[in-house]
Amino acid sequence: EVQLVESGGGLVQPGGSLRLSCAASGFTFSDHYMDWVRQAPGKGLEWVGRTRDKAHSYTTEYAASVKGRFTISRDDSKNSLYVQMNRLKSEDTAVYYCARVIVDSGTYTYDYWGQGTLVTVSS
Amino acid sequence: DIQMTQSPSSLSASVGDRVTITCRSSQGIRNDLGWYQQKPGKAPKRLIYGASRLQSGVPSRFSGSGSGTEFTLTISSLQPEDFATYYCLQHNSYPLTFGGGTKVEIK
Repeated sequence: EVQLVESGGGLVQPGGSLRLSCAASGFTFSDHYMDWVRQAPGKGLEWVGRTRDKAHSYTTEYAASVKGRFTISRDDSKNSLYVQMNRLKSEDTAVYYCARVIVDSGTYTYDYWGQGTLVTVSS
Repeated sequence: DIQMTQSPSSLSASVGDRVTITCRSSQGIRNDLGWYQQKPGKAPKRLIYGASRLQSGVPSRFSGSGSGTEFTLTISSLQPEDFATYYCLQHNSYPLTFGGGTKVEIK
């Protein structure tokens, strides 16, 4: 059974840092691109960024709102995905989801999501 | 960036109603679009991918159509468990972008 479990959320002051983790199980983690998606309280979904797999040199993509502040990484030996969040702002307050990316019938799509972890940026 | 304009932002409907939600993209995205359902406090769930392909296990009352810049999610006969918020997502180019969501409420 595919499982994605996020952890590391919590309360952090503006300007602070936090690292979120996503532990994957039930599939060959190293074969997949992985994304982070967030959702501010009462708001819609926002794509944060992506890490590709080893075959694509673990390259990353980011939303403009987080580029230069967030770093997405992965450790295939630990079946884990990370996002290092620096210089946090109040507008980064959100539930952060990790999601597995697959290619299905020639198109990218998310097939599994974690349950999310809440990050609150506040003084 | 590709903007995804989803409409309506909310709707009220009764069980058994036919419901249609639309997403328009600011540029052509071929069929690189998915639809996701989200219930309060839960992670989104994939319904449709490739604009029209039904995720295995999703009831056939859900269907997707469209290509290019205009896409539609249709629920042919709304059921009680379908009251939720629906999002489209374009996977065509970075940054990936979601529509603003459509909250389907009970009339």
